[in-house]
Order: sequence, then structure tokens, then C-alpha cells
Amino acid sequence: ETGVTQTPRHLVMGMTNKKSLKCEQHLGHNAMYWYKQSAKKPLELMFVYNFKEQTENNSVPSRFSPECPNSSHLFLHLHTLQPEDSALYLCASSQGNRDTNTEAFFGQGTRLTVV
Amino acid sequence: EDQVTQSPEALRLQEGESSSLNCSYTVSGLRGLFWYRQDPGKGPEFLFTLYSAGEEKEKERLKATLTKKESFLHITAPKPEDSATYLCAVQAKNTDKLIFGTGTRLQVFP
Repeated sequence: ETGVTQTPRHLVMGMTNKKSLKCEQHLGHNAMYWYKQSAKKPLELMFVYNFKEQTENNSVPSRFSPECPNSSHLFLHLHTLQPEDSALYLCASSQGNRDTNTEAFFGQGTRLTVV
Repeated sequence: EDQVTQSPEALRLQEGESSSLNCSYTVSGLRGLFWYRQDPGKGPEFLFTLYSAGEEKEKERLKATLTKKESFLHITAPKPEDSATYLCAVQAKNTDKLIFGTGTRLQVFP
């Protein structure tokens, strides 16, 4: 248990569906991240929120829409996805204070399959 | 551009056979270098943070070291339960980004 919880663990959705991934952290952190992990590729940063403000958007297609209502919760809204979007989606959190060196802690991920 | 390269891509060891994993990096001002362990179907598990060249950290059979261009993860007398993918990541100053390498898949056989 890392203190970062992701739901659901597995999701199968059609290309016309709309679904959301949820992440919650109980570590008192201020920064939260979405990463995409595909086979044979490094973890790809998608979005970063620091104190609820989006600080990084790594040229992610608009069919992925993040939402960070507070420092403990992060959502990833999905709509009209493509089969190539099938991957493991990982959420992480960290202290978020740029004056300190800090590690990120990851959730267990959501395995997404687009059919 | 900030970049991380890990080698080898895969490593097979006999139980008790020590070895090292390499992480080469380029970053515009290192804030921290991180090692993670990832088991299949799970999220990465944090192992170490290294902040400056010359620093070393140890945990059980693992020891991480850092120079200005690379980091090594030394595994001493590994056991089958050490089998996993080991990921390296760097973070530059004044950014929230963590840039990851592709990982080294380690298999330890009894």
C-alpha cells in the first residue's frame, strides 16, 4: 500500500464510450501526475498538477481530459478513445515543493483496453 | 533535451550472482535521480533518491550510486524475489517532470 489508490484496476471500453479514471492520495502531497505505460516504451508523462494548477501537459490529445478538484484527488476523463490508447495508466503524487528534492509514489494503475 | 537510457534491457542472473544495472542521463540541472522497482501489472515501487554525484544509498541487497553522467544499481547476491523491472528516472530543477528510462528486466533463477 503506497498511499495512492487508483480505480478501477481494469477497464474495457468501446471507442464511443465515455469513462473516467480516479486517483486518490492519502500522503498529504500537493503534486499529482498521470503517466501512460505501454509495452516496450518508457513511462510517458501526460499531466502534472501542483497545488491544483496544471503545470505540465505533454501534448496529450484532447480525448484525454484531466481534472484536479483538490490536492488529494485526480481524475482522467476519457472519450472517443482509439485502440492505441490501450495501456496501463498510472497516477503518482509527490510533495510538490520545488525547493526540496522529492520522490513520487505511484498507485497500482488502471489497465485500460479500448475495443 | 532531458533523457534517460538504461542498460541492459534484460538481465538473467543465477541466484547469488552479483551484477549492476546502468542508468545514463542528460538533464539540464539535476534535482534528483530516482530508482524504482516494478512488478508485472503493478505500479512502480520507490527504492532510492540520489541528489548529487558521489552519493550512495543501500537497501538490503541493493546499492545505488551516482556520478555526473550515470547511476548504477548494484545487486549483491540476488534472490529470485529480486526479479522485477528496475526503472530509473530523473527530475530537473524548476520542473515537476519525472523522465523515465525504459527499464531493465531482471530475472534471477534459483
